[in-house]
Amino acid sequence: DVKVTQSSRYLVKRTGEKVFLECVQDMDHENMFWYRQDPGLGLRLIYFSYDVKMKEKGDIPEGYSVSREKKERFSLILESASTNQTSMYLCASHQTNRHNNEQFFGPGTRLTVL
Amino acid sequence: QKEVEQDPGPLSVPEGAIVSLNCTYSNSAFQYFMWYRQYSRKGPELLMYTYSSGNKEDGRFTAQVDKSSKYISLFIRDSQPSDSATYLCAMSESGGEKLTFGTGTRLTIIP
Repeated sequence: DVKVTQSSRYLVKRTGEKVFLECVQDMDHENMFWYRQDPGLGLRLIYFSYDVKMKEKGDIPEGYSVSREKKERFSLILESASTNQTSMYLCASHQTNRHNNEQFFGPGTRLTVL
Repeated sequence: QKEVEQDPGPLSVPEGAIVSLNCTYSNSAFQYFMWYRQYSRKGPELLMYTYSSGNKEDGRFTAQVDKSSKYISLFIRDSQPSDSATYLCAMSESGGEKLTFGTGTRLTIIP
């Protein structure tokens, strides 16, 4: 059974703190993604990675950075958390050339920044 | 204007009804069209996948794509309470590598 896991389901941080969100997939997928999901805005792509040590900006990268040191792990970093980064964060993985191009999602991390 | 528009609902229908969910889009380069289902406090899961125009059926679910109108639909027949979830349309130009999502429609099936 394919699996994408995220380090925390719920997280509360204070403004200005550095925040790490971890994502691990066990499917040997090349591509990994970080999204945030907000009411009325849907899923928005923050960053994605096609390979180890590679990263590409998505649609809303400001205030975020990422790290992919190993194929199975993709980390999202909030260098200095702000209240407008309160959101649901979803990680996904994807294997190029799969017959249905499915992205597999983790359960999400609900981050609250006070 | 957003690249993908989806009615956010919420939508409530009685059990057994036919449900129609829709998205419109503006990017004519989109070729891959997907519907994801997201239960409360879970990540989205792929429900239907279609390449280019046409229909695809899977059990009680039918996905339709009309590229000439830039319009996609998901139909659910004989709706069940277990279908209560948020449904997200998603599209891409080159496969699943970079998806553009709609805002999602929250659906409730009333027993």
